[in-house]
Amino acid sequence: AQSVTQPDIHITVSEGASLELRCNYSYGATPYLFWYVQSPGQGLQLLLKYFSGDTLVQGIKGFEAEFKRSQSSFNLRKPSVHWSDAAEYFCAVGTTGGFKTIFGAGTRLFVKA
Amino acid sequence: SAVISQKPSRDICQRGTSLTIQCQVDSQVTMMFWYRQQPGQSLTLIATANQGSEATYESGFVIDKFPISRPNLTFSTLTVSNMSPEDSSIYLCSVGGTGIGTEAFFGQGTRLTVV
Repeated sequence: AQSVTQPDIHITVSEGASLELRCNYSYGATPYLFWYVQSPGQGLQLLLKYFSGDTLVQGIKGFEAEFKRSQSSFNLRKPSVHWSDAAEYFCAVGTTGGFKTIFGAGTRLFVKA
Repeated sequence: SAVISQKPSRDICQRGTSLTIQCQVDSQVTMMFWYRQQPGQSLTLIATANQGSEATYESGFVIDKFPISRPNLTFSTLTVSNMSPEDSSIYLCSVGGTGIGTEAFFGQGTRLTVV
C-alpha cells in the first residue's frame, strides 16, 4: 500500500535562511508526487508536482523539490525563507488510475525574525 | 482543471444528528474522493465514490457512519451520521486528475463543529 512519511512534525527557520522539508514515500509503481501548502484557515494549495522526466522540479513561490528514486524521497527546498512561508506543508503521493492522493502527516514551518 | 463547490462551508451541529455535505464539480469525473482533516492533523481519505456503484471505504471508515451517494458524474454527497464531538473536522471533496500530468483538485472544505 502507498504511504508517505514526513519525519519532521515541525521546523523553525530564520527568515532568509534556507529550508529543506523531508518526505519519503512508499509506492510500488512510478509515483506521482506532490507538495501542498496550507496556511491557517485556508485550503490546500499545490506548490509543485512530479510525474516524470527531470527529477528537479520547480514550483510556485520559489520552491523546488528533487525526486530521488533510490532513496524514495521527494524533499522540498527553498533557498531563502520569507515570513509568509509559515504554514503547514504536506507531501503526497498520487496513485495511477484515478489519482487517489495519500497525504503525509505534514510539517509545520515556523519562521522567526 | 476542475472547480469544486462544497456546501455548506461550515456548520455547527448537535451531537446525535446527521449532516449531509454536497460536492458539485464543473465537469464530469469518474472518481470522487472524500477526505477528513481533524484539527491539527493531515488529510485522511474516507472513501472513493464512483458513479453507479457503492463507495469504497478506507480502513477505519464504514458506510453506516459515512454514507456516500454518487448519483451522477458531477455530484456527490457525504453524510456524517449520529455525530459526536470527535467528528468535528474539515471534510473535503476531491476529484482525481484527468490524465497524465494532472493533479487532484480539492474543494475548500466543510468545517464541521459538533457540540
